[in-house]
Amino acid sequence: SQQGEEDPQALSIQEGENATMNCSYKTSINNLQWYRQNSGRGLVHLILIRSNEREKHSGRLRVTLDTSKKSSSLLITASRAADTASYFCATETGANNLFFGTGTRLTVIP
Amino acid sequence: DTAVSQTPKYLVTQMGNDKSIKCEQNLGHDTMYWYKQDSKKFLKIMFSYNNKELIINETVPNRFSPKSPDKAHLNLHINSLELGDSAVYFCASSLGGHDTQYFGPGTRLTVL
Repeated sequence: SQQGEEDPQALSIQEGENATMNCSYKTSINNLQWYRQNSGRGLVHLILIRSNEREKHSGRLRVTLDTSKKSSSLLITASRAADTASYFCATETGANNLFFGTGTRLTVIP
Repeated sequence: DTAVSQTPKYLVTQMGNDKSIKCEQNLGHDTMYWYKQDSKKFLKIMFSYNNKELIINETVPNRFSPKSPDKAHLNLHINSLELGDSAVYFCASSLGGHDTQYFGPGTRLTVL
């Protein structure tokens, strides 16, 4: 299977704390993407990191990619209650398709 | 303006029926997709399509068929619906096959 696996499956933190989610995958990739899904809603693209990049920032988000370990991490700094959602990593392998991981359910407690 | 829209938002139907879900994107993208999200929130690619090529996930039953009347639309037709088809179906689009995908709001299909 090409799907990624997120770790942890669920994460609960206090507002203001940092949240770190990890993603591992199995095959070579062109890029890896992180998405957020609020309950009952569609997915929102957060950030894309290419296979030749090691780190990328976007606002309070920081993504790292280690292709030798086939892993990525998403760090959300200074979390807010509005960050409560499920976060998915997705790998793009060159076949025009994204393969999604199983997701991390983040709960930020006000 | 909604970038990627799907209709209907909810669809409840009986086993054995045939139904369609419509998807439209106004982003000028070349590639469109259909995904299925099951009750465990696992998202699985079903199809990707541009004006040249349809790529089908081999695990998708042939009761499912995408139809693209034009570049901005990719509709999903499902024949002989089964209980296991109950899920949320998401349409998405991207400029090219390797670019960021923009998702629609989803269609929750319930088969009784």
